[in-house]
Amino acid sequence: DSGVTQTPKHLITATGQRVTLRCSPRSGDLSVYWYQQSLDQGLQFLIQYYNGEERAKGNILERFSAQQFPDLHSELNLSSLELGDSALYFCASSPGTSGKNSYEQYFGPGTRLTVT
Amino acid sequence: AQSVAQPEDQVNVAEGNPLTVKCTYSVSGNPYLFWYVQYPNRGLQFLLKYITGDNLVKGSYGFEAEFNKSQTSFHLKKPSALVSDSALYFCAVRDRDSNYQLIWGAGTKLIIKP
Repeated sequence: DSGVTQTPKHLITATGQRVTLRCSPRSGDLSVYWYQQSLDQGLQFLIQYYNGEERAKGNILERFSAQQFPDLHSELNLSSLELGDSALYFCASSPGTSGKNSYEQYFGPGTRLTVT
Repeated sequence: AQSVAQPEDQVNVAEGNPLTVKCTYSVSGNPYLFWYVQYPNRGLQFLLKYITGDNLVKGSYGFEAEFNKSQTSFHLKKPSALVSDSALYFCAVRDRDSNYQLIWGAGTKLIIKP
């Protein structure tokens, strides 16, 4: 158990809908990362937050947005869903401070999104 | 641009044989390198990392990796493979230009046959 929790585990929704995925980082971790893993596309970095502020952006669509709240949990919002958005969405956290362990990322179990 | 490559989509090894999963990288400056493993329907788990020091790094589940600066490689190895090692393996390198962000390889599927 990495200490990172994600809810829900599974989500089935229709095209055009909007969903929210939730992530709670490990206790004490300040950084949260969101990734998308599709069957044929490996692990795609979406976005990173550090202590409530956006730190880095990857291949995140304009239909997707995220935020990190004062209690450090994060939410990923996916809107106007398309069939191609079906994937596993992972959240990871890291200490995000200086030191040898600051770059290790700890992954949650993921949310499997199916868009029908 | 910084990058990491895993040249093999899949590696097949017989149980009990040594295994190697390859990773090469391109960074400006000193790299921080990582290996993660993903079992079916699970999140990624940290295996080991190289930050500095000894070029041979030992990690979880009997895995080790060798940092080779001249060849810009960080291959994952295990002396004797187990069927339970079958999984997806990801190599990652720290991006010095993006705070705390990792650049990920495409992953290598490791299949250990009994």
